[in-house]
Amino acid sequence: DTAVSQTPKYLVTQMGNDKSIKCEQNLGHDTMYWYKQDSKKFLKIMFSYNNKELIINETVPNRFSPKSPDKAHLNLHINSLELGDSAVYFCASSQGGAQTQYFGPGTRLLVL
Amino acid sequence: GESVGLHLPTLSVQEGDNSIINCAYSNSASDYFIWYKQESGKGPQFIIDIRSNMDKRQGQRVTVLLNKTVKHLSLQIAATQPGDSAVYFCAENMEGAQKLVFGQGTRLTINP
Repeated sequence: DTAVSQTPKYLVTQMGNDKSIKCEQNLGHDTMYWYKQDSKKFLKIMFSYNNKELIINETVPNRFSPKSPDKAHLNLHINSLELGDSAVYFCASSQGGAQTQYFGPGTRLLVL
Repeated sequence: GESVGLHLPTLSVQEGDNSIINCAYSNSASDYFIWYKQESGKGPQFIIDIRSNMDKRQGQRVTVLLNKTVKHLSLQIAATQPGDSAVYFCAENMEGAQKLVFGQGTRLTINP
C-alpha cells in the first residue's frame, strides 16, 4: 500500500550514460515534485508539476528532463550523467498546499 | 535570497528527556514553516507545520514555536524516545508556491 513509490531504489552507472527514475503516487494528489539530496543531506527542489504541467524548474540543467504521462506519475530522465549528479533523488506529492508533502523512499544514484 | 538554516547540526539527548531543535530563516514573506523527520534510508516525513500568523502549535509530543521578531523556529519533542532518532529538517513555504525550501538538517541521537 505504498503511497509514493520510486524505482529503482539504487542506480550505479558510468559517467556519460543516460538513465531514468520512475515515480508513482496512489494518493490522488494533483502535485508532484522531484528533490535532490546531496551527501550533506541538503534537500533542494528540482521540479514541481501540477496536473501534468510543469510549474517550477529550479534552474536545473537541461540534461534533466521530467515527464508526467498522467498526474499519478512523474518520471525523471537524466542525460549525459556527471559525477556531480551522484545523490539521492526523492519524489514527493501533495494536494492543495505544498507544506504537507508525501515523499517516496528515494533513489540512490551513484555515477562512477 | 531564500535560505533556511539551522543552529546545530547534531543533537544528542537522553531517552526520556525533552529535545529542542532550532532553525533560523531569512524569508519574512513565508506563510508556512514546517518540520520534517527523515529516518535513515527513508524519505522525509511531515511532522507539524505552523502558519506565519501563529507563534505556537502543539501536536502529539511535539510543539513548534515561531518567533518572527528574530526569525527563529524551534521544534520541541517531549519525552524523547529511541524512535525519534532521525534527521530533522525545517522548511518554509509561501502560499501558492509549489515548493518547499529546506534547511540543512539536525541529526538527533538518543542515548539510552
